[in-house]
Amino acid sequence: QKEVEQNSGPLSVPEGAIASLNCTYSDRGSQSFFWYRQYSGKSPELIMSIYSNGDKEDGRFTAQLNKASQYVSLLIRDSQPSDSATYLCAVNPREYGNKLVFGAGTILRVKS
Amino acid sequence: AAGVIQSPRHLIKEKRETATLKCYPIPRHDTVYWYQQGPGQDPQFLISFYEKMQSDKGSIPDRFSAQQFSDYHSELNMSSLELGDSALYFCASSPRQGLTTGNTIYFGEGSWLTVV
Repeated sequence: QKEVEQNSGPLSVPEGAIASLNCTYSDRGSQSFFWYRQYSGKSPELIMSIYSNGDKEDGRFTAQLNKASQYVSLLIRDSQPSDSATYLCAVNPREYGNKLVFGAGTILRVKS
Repeated sequence: AAGVIQSPRHLIKEKRETATLKCYPIPRHDTVYWYQQGPGQDPQFLISFYEKMQSDKGSIPDRFSAQQFSDYHSELNMSSLELGDSALYFCASSPRQGLTTGNTIYFGEGSWLTVV
């Protein structure tokens, strides 16, 4: 079992819809959780970070964290074609210090 | 805002050659990370440095070495290159103590290494 699991997709949503991306992690002691967006051949770009249970909103993006279920999600409201990318969930497992463990990423396709 | 600068952006080397990648972190960031991302793969952590000392080590081959210099820039040296080393190499940086204080990691644009 990988330490960070994501559905590889692709997840296809129509323009203007809500895209829901999910991620589970194995280390119950993980403290920091991040969502990165990556366009093909480009570097990961930080979208959201979340550290405590609940929701965190930033513009069209909402991150949700449930540590009891070891689950973190990203909601993208009013999806745009420019949101089409691979979304990487990243976790800082307690025992790894200052490094991030990435999931395999979910491909999102927003169709106009 | 200044970002993480990597050079070269593209590099083509033959098998068994040596390659060096450079990384200049965001100003006032003193922690540097190196990641390797193969085609269709998620980024794999190689190594990190804090205040010029190695702080964490991941799946970095023995053929690779890295260091952080007094100006906080870092270099990744790869020797005896193999075809499987072809990948996108990312450098990232974060402020002091990185993730443990709620900070995060910011990535450079990456260096494409192709081994032929």
